[in-house]
Amino acid sequence: AQKVTQAQTEISVVEKEDVTLDCVYETRDTTYYLFWYKQPPSGELVFLIRRNSFDEQNEISGRYSWNFQKSTSSFNFTITASQVVDSAVYFCALSEAVVSGANSKLTFGKGITLSVRP
Amino acid sequence: GAVVSQHPSWVICKSGTSVKIECRSLDFQATTMFWYRQFPKQSLMLMATSNEGSKATYEQGVEKDKFLINHASLTLSTLTVTSAHPEDSSFYICSATGTSGGTDTQYFGPGTRLTVL
Repeated sequence: AQKVTQAQTEISVVEKEDVTLDCVYETRDTTYYLFWYKQPPSGELVFLIRRNSFDEQNEISGRYSWNFQKSTSSFNFTITASQVVDSAVYFCALSEAVVSGANSKLTFGKGITLSVRP
Repeated sequence: GAVVSQHPSWVICKSGTSVKIECRSLDFQATTMFWYRQFPKQSLMLMATSNEGSKATYEQGVEKDKFLINHASLTLSTLTVTSAHPEDSSFYICSATGTSGGTDTQYFGPGTRLTVL
């Protein structure tokens, strides 16, 4: 069975601080995808990144960066120089990679509530 | 690209009535759509998966007769909450996968907040 653990439940930082959101996963699949989604107060989930299990390269996108460590089954997300607009709930998710992708269910973590204070 | 819409964004209804929620993929064909519900300060719980033109697959514990799902076309899926009761009040979110962004990425709609009085 797949499992995603986001041990941090709430994080509060002051604007411009860096913050890292942790994600640890469990799966018996050899091929899988990892995701991060952002859910602002409006409720809509915003897709941030997808990483497949064969690609362990870290990724940077503006102030966002992701560190995928297969050896520790972790896929951590760092926001550099945080801003008030980063305040949201962040979900890490895992899915198996099926051939067609048609029924690739997502297993979500419980989410981390990030509050960025001015 | 990969925009998913939901309608309505919120609805209030009386106990015993039925409510229909629409989920549309606006700029891609959604071969698969997913329906979730989310309670306050909790994670998303998958209710069912639907493929266009076939019956939905429901997760364990989800009543298929209560939550009717129809995926009639590659851009539209509907969730009907039949005979709604206060305990059905929740945030319902749909997502879709298809031809945009890779078939394994789910793109989410903005959600529908249902309140049953």
